[in-house]
Amino acid sequence: AQSVTQLGSHVSVSEGALVLLRCNYSSSVPPYLFWYVQYPNQGLQLLLKYTSAATLVKGINGFEAEFKKSETSFHLTKPSAHMSDAAEYFCAVSEAGGFKTIFGAGTRLFVKA
Amino acid sequence: NAGVTQTPKFQVLKTGQSMTLQCAQDMNHEYMSWYRQDPGMGLRLIHYSVGAGITDQGEVPNGYNVSRSTTEDFPLRLLSAAPSQTSVYFCATQGRGQGTGANVLTFGAGSRLTVL
Repeated sequence: AQSVTQLGSHVSVSEGALVLLRCNYSSSVPPYLFWYVQYPNQGLQLLLKYTSAATLVKGINGFEAEFKKSETSFHLTKPSAHMSDAAEYFCAVSEAGGFKTIFGAGTRLFVKA
Repeated sequence: NAGVTQTPKFQVLKTGQSMTLQCAQDMNHEYMSWYRQDPGMGLRLIHYSVGAGITDQGEVPNGYNVSRSTTEDFPLRLLSAAPSQTSVYFCATQGRGQGTGANVLTFGAGSRLTVL
């Protein structure tokens, strides 16, 4: 069975500071890994995904994530936070070619001026 | 191009009432799914379908029914609503694309349900 653990339900950073959102996964087969973002009162949209090509994945809005198999991690980073990054972020896992995507509990990012 | 359309956006029910949340897509995606979102629990998969006439249970299927008679529609039915079903419900679709589109979910805007 696959599962996702996101460390920290809330993260607060100052504008311009580094953003680091942590995600660890469990999967018995090579996984596809995703980060989705949800802005207030909206649905989720894809931020980036890993599908066994490059281990460092770049997404939209300056975010990137690194797949580390030895640590079963897929942490999301952004060098400099912007006020518009305030949202909830979800890490997710699925099997390559599969149809079931399992989500983590989410991390709400607050950005202080 | 509407993508994934969910109706209604808001609904209030009394315990024991029934209702159907509608989901329609115009992307010709084979895979459709329903999630519920609750604070601190992320999104949990309720039911999913890999094509017309084929449905299966997800992580939290109890209290919900689905059917898939067409590629475009995937309604979620609550036969006897309970307060524990108060949640935000999201429909999502996925195509059989390869490469950058593989396994990527497209979500509807959500339906907020309150059961009193």
